[in-house]
Amino acid sequence: EVQLVESGGGLIQPGGSLRLSCAASGFTVSSNYMSWVRQAPGKGLEWVSVIYSGGSTYYADSVKGRFTISRDNSKNTLYLQMNSLRAEDTAVYYCASGGGGYWGQGTLVTVSS
Amino acid sequence: AIQMTQSPSSLSASVGDRVTITCRASQGIRNDLGWYQQKPGKAPKLLIYAASSLQSGVPSRFSGSGSGTDFTLTISSLQPEDFATYYCLQDYNYPHTFGQGTKLEIK
Repeated sequence: EVQLVESGGGLIQPGGSLRLSCAASGFTVSSNYMSWVRQAPGKGLEWVSVIYSGGSTYYADSVKGRFTISRDNSKNTLYLQMNSLRAEDTAVYYCASGGGGYWGQGTLVTVSS
Repeated sequence: AIQMTQSPSSLSASVGDRVTITCRASQGIRNDLGWYQQKPGKAPKLLIYAASSLQSGVPSRFSGSGSGTDFTLTISSLQPEDFATYYCLQDYNYPHTFGQGTKLEIK
């Protein structure tokens, strides 16, 4: 059974940093492309970033230069390093497998002073 | 970035109704479009990929069609568990973009 489990969310002050993790089981992160998608409270879905098996990465304009997607193949885990956080980054962050067939349960990031 | 415009933004319907949701892309995206269902407090669930391919395990009352700029998601006979919010997502190029969502409510 495939499971994706996010962690690392929490309350952070504006300008701060946070690293989200997405631990995979029953599924090999390095063999697939993996994405992060977020959803602000009461709002729609927003695509954030993707990493391909070959290492190529892409970002939404709203996070480019502040967020970095990466993975640790030995831990079968996907990461999202978020720097210079803003109030508008407040959202539930989901990791998803390449084709969107598998999703984690989400982790809430709240950026507030 | 490609803009995805969904309509309607909300819809009231009854169990057994046939429902259609549309998604229009601001430029041609071939058939690089997926449809997702999301229930409150839950992660999105993939229903349709490549515009018209049914994801494994998804009931056959869900279908998708379209190519280029205009796409539709059809639910042939609404069931109680289908009341949710639906999103389209273009994966033609980066950044990928979602439609704003269609909330399907019980009439």
